[in-house]
Amino acid sequence: DTGVSQDPRHKITKRGQNVTFRCDPISEHNRLYWYRQTLGQGPEFLTYFQNEAQLEKSRLLSDRFSAERPKGSFSTLEIQRTEQGDSAMYLCASSSRTVYGYTFGSGTRLTVV
Amino acid sequence: DQQVKQNSPSLSVQEGRISILNCDYTNSMFDYFLWYKKYPAEGPTFLISISSIKDKNEDGRFTVFLNKSAKHLSLHIVPSQPGDSAVYFCAASAIGNQFYFGTGTSLTVIP
Repeated sequence: DTGVSQDPRHKITKRGQNVTFRCDPISEHNRLYWYRQTLGQGPEFLTYFQNEAQLEKSRLLSDRFSAERPKGSFSTLEIQRTEQGDSAMYLCASSSRTVYGYTFGSGTRLTVV
Repeated sequence: DQQVKQNSPSLSVQEGRISILNCDYTNSMFDYFLWYKKYPAEGPTFLISISSIKDKNEDGRFTVFLNKSAKHLSLHIVPSQPGDSAVYFCAASAIGNQFYFGTGTSLTVIP
């Protein structure tokens, strides 16, 4: 297992288009998180899954954002009708025990033009 | 509302000397703290953690100190090495799994 994988690494899209990102966590990790990081800020929590159940959502996750983890393995994050303010690094992380913290992926950098 | 604050955006240290990175938090319910290191174009990498039942945790060259009364934690790196140059984030969590991150401190270790 090579860690948490995110695809794509970079995405440039026009305002108003929909985008979807994928995250493959470490296989034995049952918890999966999505964070967003903008320039000069630390990662901000978006949502959290335990297995296939989405247990927590941040108020940052507007109705244009939807995340799924259909089989408790990989997860997708979709942004509909993208806006320039959505430009950020989208980070996925997984864990099995909070005491060891998260393992983050390398992120997907979204640029909305 | 920033619940975790790193007030120093950057820090430069000579190789071999001690690097001290600071972090303050406002939520007294936070009971678990992490430090992450981030290189450009990579995701953050877990470095060291500390729970609120301890005031110190050490792992090799890295030591984290927690002062609960002051709501302050610090990361000490000694001796600092050029490969330590990165952005360091502290993160805190209350009961549950969501971590709140600071804005990061960019450490430069000068050879």
